[in-house]
Amino acid sequence: AQTVTQSQPEMSVQEAETVTLSCTYDTSESDYYLFWYKQPPSRQMILVIRQEAYKQQNATENRFSVNFQKAAKSFSLKISDSQLGDAAMYFCAYPGSGNTPLVFGKGTRLSVIA
Amino acid sequence: NAGVTQTPKFRVLKTGQSMTLLCAQDMNHEYMYWYRQDPGMGLRLIHYSVGEGTTAKGEVPDGYNVSRLKKQNFLLGLESAAPSQTSVYFCASSLGSPGFGQYFGPGTRLTVT
Repeated sequence: AQTVTQSQPEMSVQEAETVTLSCTYDTSESDYYLFWYKQPPSRQMILVIRQEAYKQQNATENRFSVNFQKAAKSFSLKISDSQLGDAAMYFCAYPGSGNTPLVFGKGTRLSVIA
Repeated sequence: NAGVTQTPKFRVLKTGQSMTLLCAQDMNHEYMYWYRQDPGMGLRLIHYSVGEGTTAKGEVPDGYNVSRLKKQNFLLGLESAAPSQTSVYFCASSLGSPGFGQYFGPGTRLTVT
């Protein structure tokens, strides 16, 4: 079975600082995608960033970037210049092989301190 | 373009009652999914569909049934609700394989007493 592990149930960061959320996964595939989703208090799941495993370059979306270490099966999310609106649950997700649906980690709750 | 919508947003059921949750998407997506979210458990897949008329079981399918009679709709049914089914239910859709990314509805909070 595919597994996705987020080892940090909770984290906090000062406003304007940088924080990194960790994610590891288990796969025997060589070509796949990885995702980070944000769930604010509104409950809506929002796609933050996507990484394609065959690309060497780490994905970046504005203040959000990933550190993708394929050999280590690690996919961490870095949030730069943290803002109060970044406070949310963050989920790492992986679709496994072929057309299987996303498997989610248990999430990391991020608090942003003003 | 509404994206993915879910009906209802909240519901309270008594044990043994039945209900159907409706998910609709207007993005012409082939794939649709139902997840449940419980505290500390992340999202767990209940059932999914890779196209009109097809359904498949996910990680936690027991106590639920689904139907995909139209491409844009995916229904989740609870035939005899149990307190263990108290949860937040999310519907999602994707254009093709999940590598494209899944788009989520706003969720339905269901309480079974």
